[in-house]
Amino acid sequence: AQTVTQSQPEMSVQEAETVTLSCTYDTSESDYYLFWYKQPPSRQMILVIRQEAYKQQNATENRFSVNFQKAAKSFSLKISDSQLGDAAMYFCAYRGHLYNFNKFYFGSGTKLNVKP
Amino acid sequence: DAGVIQSPRHEVTEMGQEVTLRCKPISGHNSLFWYRQTMMRGLELLIYFNNNVPIDDSGMPEDRFSAKMPNASFSTLKIQPSEPRDSAVYFCASGNSSYNSPLHFGNGTRLTVT
Repeated sequence: AQTVTQSQPEMSVQEAETVTLSCTYDTSESDYYLFWYKQPPSRQMILVIRQEAYKQQNATENRFSVNFQKAAKSFSLKISDSQLGDAAMYFCAYRGHLYNFNKFYFGSGTKLNVKP
Repeated sequence: DAGVIQSPRHEVTEMGQEVTLRCKPISGHNSLFWYRQTMMRGLELLIYFNNNVPIDDSGMPEDRFSAKMPNASFSTLKIQPSEPRDSAVYFCASGNSSYNSPLHFGNGTRLTVT
C-alpha cells in the first residue's frame, strides 16, 4: 500500500522568511498526483497546491511552491514570505492513477508556527 | 458553489446513543469520502463511495459504524451505539473520478461522546 511520510511534526518560521516542509511517499506507480492541504485552527481543509508526477516542472501558487523529486519520491512544500495566516497544519497527500485510484493517502501532518 | 456541507458542526452525546452525521457533496462530484481525524491517529479514511456505491469500507472501525449514500447528493455516517473513543472530528469530502481531481472537504463535525 502507498504510504506518505511527513517527518517533521512541528516547525517554526519567522514572519517574512521562507520555510520548507518535507514529504516523502512510497509507490510502485509511475503516474500519480500529489497534493498539499492546509488546515488552520478553524479545521477547514484547504487545497494549497497539486503536482502531477509526469510534469517535471514544479508547481507554483503565489508564495507556495513545491520541490518535486520523482526519483527520490520526495514532495516538499516551500512557503516564501511567510505570513501569520500561514500558521496551520499542513498535510501531504497522494492519489494514484491505477491502483485504488480513488483513495487519497495522507501524511500525519506538520504543524507550522509563524512567529511575528 | 456551496462546497461540501456537513451537519451538525458539533455533536455532544452520551455513550450508548445513536449518532448520525450528514453530508451533502458538491454537485457533479461522483466520489464521496468519510474521514475521521484524531490527534493520535491523524486522518483516517473510513469509507468511500463511487457513484453512490461503497467501494472500500475497510477503514470502518467496527460494526457500530455504518454509512449510506442513498443518492448523489446525500450521505450519512451512523454510529450505534456510540462510545467515548469515537470522539473525533469527522470529515466528509467529495471529488470526481479524474485522478487529478483534488478532494474538497466539508468543515467537519466535532463529535464528543461522554
